[in-house]
Amino acid sequence: DGGITQSPKYLFRKEGQNVTLSCEQNLNHDAMYWYRQDPGQGLRLIYYSQIVNDFQKGDIAEGYSVSREKKESFPLTVTSAQKNPTAFYLCASSILAGGFNEQFFGPGTRLTVL
Amino acid sequence: ELKVEQNPLFLSMQEGKNYTIYCNYSTTSDRLYWYRQDPGKSLESLFVLLSNGAVKQEGRLMASLDTKARLSTLHITAAVHDLSATYFCAVPGTYKYIFGTGTRLKVLA
Repeated sequence: DGGITQSPKYLFRKEGQNVTLSCEQNLNHDAMYWYRQDPGQGLRLIYYSQIVNDFQKGDIAEGYSVSREKKESFPLTVTSAQKNPTAFYLCASSILAGGFNEQFFGPGTRLTVL
Repeated sequence: ELKVEQNPLFLSMQEGKNYTIYCNYSTTSDRLYWYRQDPGKSLESLFVLLSNGAVKQEGRLMASLDTKARLSTLHITAAVHDLSATYFCAVPGTYKYIFGTGTRLKVLA
């Protein structure tokens, strides 16, 4: 089955730790995205990648980093510089970058800072 | 800057009633997407509207797009409890998507 997988489903972080969230897709999509969702709120774009080895900052990139070494993978690292990382993180992909193609979402990772 | 606004933000309605959720956006776009999100879950694609006047229907939900008015509507007919969720519209930007604030719908028995 084609789709987007995210792991882990739940993640707990201690203060000062870096953690990495995994996102993998087998849809052969060029574009991938990371969003953050706080309770009761909408989606905010963290980073997006239009193609392998290229990515751009979204609206709230501070305290986060990404890489895109393979087409199917777009991991997100939440660094210790992100002061309030507790949130629901969603990864998405589309055939090409931009809104002319439907965007599909993974199941999400819920991150909690202890 | 592209802005997308939804209203209402919260909607509590009785089963069997009809209601409409509105999605307004600030710049020209000839396509729009609707998603559903259940509590604690990811977003599920509902409708893809690709041109002015587009209308899509799935069960008790019907979505339409008026690109001249920069408005999309999501109409709920004879609501049932299973429709309780948060609904988001999204409009394409140059390289990304701009999401509305979401409408949290609660259908009461």
